[in-house]
Amino acid sequence: TQLLEQSPQFLSIQEGENLTVYCNSSSVFSSLQWYRQEPGEGPVLLVTVVTGGEVKKLKRLTFQFGDARKDSSLHITAAQPGDTGLYLCAGADYSGGYQKVTFGTGTKLQVIP
Amino acid sequence: GAGVSQSPRYKVAKRGQDVALRCDPISGHVSLFWYQQALGQGPEFLTYFQNEAQLDKSGLPSDRFFAERPEGSVSTLKIQRTQQEDSAVYLCASSLSKRGAGGYNEQFFGPGTRLTVL
Repeated sequence: TQLLEQSPQFLSIQEGENLTVYCNSSSVFSSLQWYRQEPGEGPVLLVTVVTGGEVKKLKRLTFQFGDARKDSSLHITAAQPGDTGLYLCAGADYSGGYQKVTFGTGTKLQVIP
Repeated sequence: GAGVSQSPRYKVAKRGQDVALRCDPISGHVSLFWYQQALGQGPEFLTYFQNEAQLDKSGLPSDRFFAERPEGSVSTLKIQRTQQEDSAVYLCASSLSKRGAGGYNEQFFGPGTRLTVL
């Protein structure tokens, strides 16, 4: 059972447009991560956010963690074809003594040149 | 190699066959994870190893699924009597330690094995 819902599920935009992907959790996690996965490859970690209200920027990508630490967003400015991929949010929990990651439902992004 | 490798990359099995999927983690990584990913969905946790000890197998969908990591490095995920619903990409990930500085520890993923059960 997926505890993290992402929206939209699929997004197709023109190069240069801006977009936002949302991640909503039914649980509070110790930290929240965002990954990008390209076809035929495993997910690659983009960022980890830990503190409620935290904002992190990675070039054209801005990640925000909600105050209640149950929701997050990823905003991409001036999207490029290289941004195409499956974007996954994930919640990390350490109650078992190790980092257990629960992935969201995913958002498939297509940027058209 | 520098990253996590998995073999085979593609596997086609007839229903009822047994399959074995291999994962070579990054050298020295203590933690190893297996995930199952359906097409277009996020990966779902299957099992976790800390060195050779399997500490969490709560995500294994049935007793047909078995994983091992006998020497604390290479791991094998075995699926017995495969069913069509087992068709998915199986991802392996490793991380340096169980926790890491700051309370989080990056997992590095392999490219996955795409299993198709006919």
